[in-house]
Amino acid sequence: AQSVTQLDSHVSVSEGTPVLLRCNYSSSYSPSLFWYVQHPNKGLQLLLKYTSAATLVKGINGFEAEFKKSETSFHLTKPSAHMSDAAEYFCVVTSNNNAGNMLTFGGGTRLMVKP
Amino acid sequence: DAGITQSPRYKITETGRQVTLMCHQTWSHSYMFWYRQDLGHGLRLIYYSAAADITDKGEVPDGYVVSRSKTENFPLTLESATRSQTSVYFCASSFDRAPPLNTEAFFGQGTRLTVV
Repeated sequence: AQSVTQLDSHVSVSEGTPVLLRCNYSSSYSPSLFWYVQHPNKGLQLLLKYTSAATLVKGINGFEAEFKKSETSFHLTKPSAHMSDAAEYFCVVTSNNNAGNMLTFGGGTRLMVKP
Repeated sequence: DAGITQSPRYKITETGRQVTLMCHQTWSHSYMFWYRQDLGHGLRLIYYSAAADITDKGEVPDGYVVSRSKTENFPLTLESATRSQTSVYFCASSFDRAPPLNTEAFFGQGTRLTVV
């Protein structure tokens, strides 16, 4: 079984300040981890992914995430928030098990960026 | 057009009616998924398919039926719609499962379904 916990349902930051969105996972198998972003009334777009290569993963729009196996975490960060970053973010885990490529979503974190 | 497309984008239907949501992908991905997105629940898996003619239940399958006669299509049918099925539905597809693990999923734009 696998699960994902996004520790904050809402995060509010000021434009130009750092962003931290927290994600913890559990998985019985070697996981792959993803962050997706969903802008209002839009579909989901992949930000970045970890697939057992480098533990520090760089994604689009200046986001990055670090896979920490000892902490079972995959937190998403960005050094400086932009107004266009306001959206909902989903941490997703999948594993190569007999059930197939099952994606398990966290509950989502809504990021608000204040001017 | 290449990619994954859902239709319709918006649908209003009455309780008890049958509704089919369409999903079409052009990449020949083996895996396809249907999710529903509701406030407070994130995305929850309804059904998935590992290949044509192979489907399986996800977390919330009750009241839904799927089929996959062709690799590129994965329709979702609500046999008798209920108000609790009002939601935004997302279809997704992903590559074959093969090392190195590369199971990035690509999502459609979603279908907003309202059952009145």
